Amino acid sequence: NAGVTQTPKFQVLKTGQSMTLQCAQDMNHEYMSWYRQDPGMGLRLIHYSVGAGITDQGEVPNGYNVSRSTTEDFPLRLLSAAPSQTSVYFCASRGLAGVITDTQYFGPGTRLTVL
Amino acid sequence: GDSVTQMEGPVTLSEEAFLTINCTYTATGYPSLFWYVQYPGEGLQLLLKATKADDKGSNKGFEATYRKETTSFHLEKGSVQVSDSAVYFCALTTNPRSGGSNYKLTFGKGTLLTVNP
Repeated sequence: NAGVTQTPKFQVLKTGQSMTLQCAQDMNHEYMSWYRQDPGMGLRLIHYSVGAGITDQGEVPNGYNVSRSTTEDFPLRLLSAAPSQTSVYFCASRGLAGVITDTQYFGPGTRLTVL
Repeated sequence: GDSVTQMEGPVTLSEEAFLTINCTYTATGYPSLFWYVQYPGEGLQLLLKATKADDKGSNKGFEATYRKETTSFHLEKGSVQVSDSAVYFCALTTNPRSGGSNYKLTFGKGTLLTVNP
């Protein structure tokens, strides 16, 4: 049981390049989400999904796309990277079966630098 | 909307000192409350949680009590260690089935704790 995995761990992009941050979980969790962490800002929600085929925007969705074709995977796409997207990105998942399962589990993060 | 306000850092303590990190919240419905910890260079780990009023979450010597009347969830530890040095995040989530808006986790901005030997 690997939990939540993210790849890559580190990435450097040039402005305008595109890339996909990968996230996978093996806990059969319905809910998955992406956060970015910036100094002094805490974690802010980018996009989330409550199941395969269902996605929605969080607080800071601009510049990012997501899709959820399977329960396990929730990739985050940067279509045209900007320096403002330099951040640490965390993927998280949780079950939706009730209060007892409301804990979110986080991946180890991807540190992205956009030059 | 939902929000979490936690004590601004950084907090610097000597080993064996008493720790309190304040956290207050605003939420619709009946939120579940969490403290997450982030050690240097790592992701977030759940430290403790409480799902209803007057519940006390505890783990690794840390405690926090869900106070509905004061909308607070303060983190405490009686005797900190150097290994407790980390960033601590207070967070909440709401369940639409109990009147909340959605399942997202709302975080405070984090408090950096440094414990010196």
